[in-house]
Amino acid sequence: DIQMTQSPSTLSASVGDRVTITCRATHGISDWLAWYKQKPGKAPNLLIYKVSKLQSGVPSRFSGSGSGTDFTLTISGLQPDDFATYFCQQYKNYSSFGGGTRVDIK
Amino acid sequence: QVQLQESGPGLVKPSETLSLTCGVSGYSITSGFQWGWIRQSPGKGLEWIGTIYHTGSTSYNPSLKSRAILSVDTSKNEFFLKMNSVTAADTALYYCARVLGGNVVFDIWGQGTMVTVSS
Repeated sequence: DIQMTQSPSTLSASVGDRVTITCRATHGISDWLAWYKQKPGKAPNLLIYKVSKLQSGVPSRFSGSGSGTDFTLTISGLQPDDFATYFCQQYKNYSSFGGGTRVDIK
Repeated sequence: QVQLQESGPGLVKPSETLSLTCGVSGYSITSGFQWGWIRQSPGKGLEWIGTIYHTGSTSYNPSLKSRAILSVDTSKNEFFLKMNSVTAADTALYYCARVLGGNVVFDIWGQGTMVTVSS
């Protein structure tokens, strides 16, 4: 099975910062990678799929890149609503999620 | 507007069967898409359980060792999760969700329902 590892597990940032979250797969997953955002007490919300395709309604400050085993989610110009936990998900071989990266206020 | 709502017992005894229902509104299950279940716990994080198409075709997480069974009732626009032989490790927040396109990516989620396994 494919394991997904995210880093860092926690990230402290300020409004306006550029934030980068990394996700690494134990095996190559081509471009079968998605990113979700989750606020406390809410279900995850799909941000990006196929590495870099923005889901409808997601602000353009979110972007994704990578291929094979290494991927990144970038938030360009952090907004107050972006303080949340982010998860990556592979769907090359069944599906599995990363452990999450919490973005909190510095 | 498509909405999903999970329902079912919040407490299940060890070794018994967990049964959850996901009601879909604003969209007919038979119109397409796959539908799935995901759970989230502090210990295991987010875990994909399985997905089902309206025809009944299913795919499951192998790590669950065939304990999970998904089914669908198109007349009620609902789909279901049954998981047998539960243990405390199955205690989690269970979500139902719609699959985007033909891949296991979830674009619309229910609010989740908490299931605790305890005697």
